[in-house]
Amino acid sequence: EVQVVQSGAEVKKPGESLKISCKGSGYSFTNYWIAWVRQMPGKGLEWMGIIYPGDSDTRYSPSFQGQVTISADKSISTAYLQWSSLKASDTAMYYCARQGLVRGPADYWGQGTLVTVSS
Amino acid sequence: QSALTQPASVSGSPGQSITISCTGTSSDVGGYNFVSWYQQHPGKAPKVMIYDVSNRPSGVSNRFSGSKSGNTASLTISGLQAEDEADYYCASYTRSITLVFGGGTKVTVL
Repeated sequence: EVQVVQSGAEVKKPGESLKISCKGSGYSFTNYWIAWVRQMPGKGLEWMGIIYPGDSDTRYSPSFQGQVTISADKSISTAYLQWSSLKASDTAMYYCARQGLVRGPADYWGQGTLVTVSS
Repeated sequence: QSALTQPASVSGSPGQSITISCTGTSSDVGGYNFVSWYQQHPGKAPKVMIYDVSNRPSGVSNRFSGSKSGNTASLTISGLQAEDEADYYCASYTRSITLVFGGGTKVTVL
């Protein structure tokens, strides 16, 4: 059974760093892309970027380039989304999702990781 | 890149058909047949309903169908049911080798 499982909710202060994770199982992790999607409170979905764990090929939406870093450790079938200095505006639900091709679709989604940034 | 344009809300009575539009540009929707549609119920992760403009994943009801004309893609839900009440998002591949979502449409079953 294909599963995509994300790490738990986080509460951080502005300026702190954070790395959240997304673990794939039940399929060949290195043969599928993992995308990250942001959903701010009460708002729509925003595609942030994508990584191919097989060779770490990574693409970013222009809106998120330089704001976050996407990485993956294929030895443990896990992808990551990280921030070096969080802002209050980073408060959102973050989803990861598996994609067979960079063009989509995202067929299996994680349960989401809620990140709250507040002083 | 700007988000694709969707109506904020669409409503219909049980049994009726509704259509949600998704308008982009020749750099995304109009340039590629890689439009997908996602359904999201409150507090849940999105679920793909249509991919590559008009293909349905296994397990998705045939009441959902997709199409495209020029820079506008459409999702039609026929035989509207109470369980279809949710937010719907389109997404398209773009010239920048990325994806972009629409702003989302809230579907209400009257």
